[in-house]
Amino acid sequence: DTGVSQDPRHKITKRGQNVTFRCDPISEHNRLYWYRQTLGQGPEFLTYFQNEAQLEKSRLLSDRFSAERPKGSFSTLEIQRTEQGDSAMYLCASSPPNEQFFGPGTRLTVL
Amino acid sequence: GQSLEQPSEVTAVEGAIVQINCTYQTSGFYGLSWYQQHDGGAPTFLSYNALDGLEETGRFSSFLSRSDSYGYLLLQELQMKDSASYFCAVREEDSSASKIIFGSGTRLSIRP
Repeated sequence: DTGVSQDPRHKITKRGQNVTFRCDPISEHNRLYWYRQTLGQGPEFLTYFQNEAQLEKSRLLSDRFSAERPKGSFSTLEIQRTEQGDSAMYLCASSPPNEQFFGPGTRLTVL
Repeated sequence: GQSLEQPSEVTAVEGAIVQINCTYQTSGFYGLSWYQQHDGGAPTFLSYNALDGLEETGRFSSFLSRSDSYGYLLLQELQMKDSASYFCAVREEDSSASKIIFGSGTRLSIRP
């Protein structure tokens, strides 16, 4: 257990529905990252927060994806109008500068 | 563009030594990390190199050559529990943002 939690751990949804995932990082870490990982691939960077500010967003992140970290603590990732290609593991990582502590991930399946 | 290259699979024998190489091409390079991921689990941090040279942590060591854009992870005295995927990751950073780019991973299989 790294101290980073994610909820839910599994989500099954129908195509076209909206889903929201939550990440609770380690409290003293001000950096928070979201990644997407598919089978046989490395984590793919989605977005990054420093405190409540979203400082970087991948070009791969379509406008259906949005992330927030309203008080610089927990973060949410929302996917609107889900597509089957969104099926993946969504990982959150809490970070001091040189090391990332990953949460257990949320596995999304879009039917 | 950004890219990291590492072998997709490596097989080794229990008790042996294995080296997993990683070459990278990025802008704003800040450091090279290694992560281990068991099937069904999340990545866990192994090591970080910002400067050239070898960093040793128990059975695992990591090396970086910034001039060659190259690094490797060395695993010694292999144990069956070391069977996992290993990812190199590059930290890119500038004045306004930070990004971590992961390679596609090397699946290490340990034989008895």
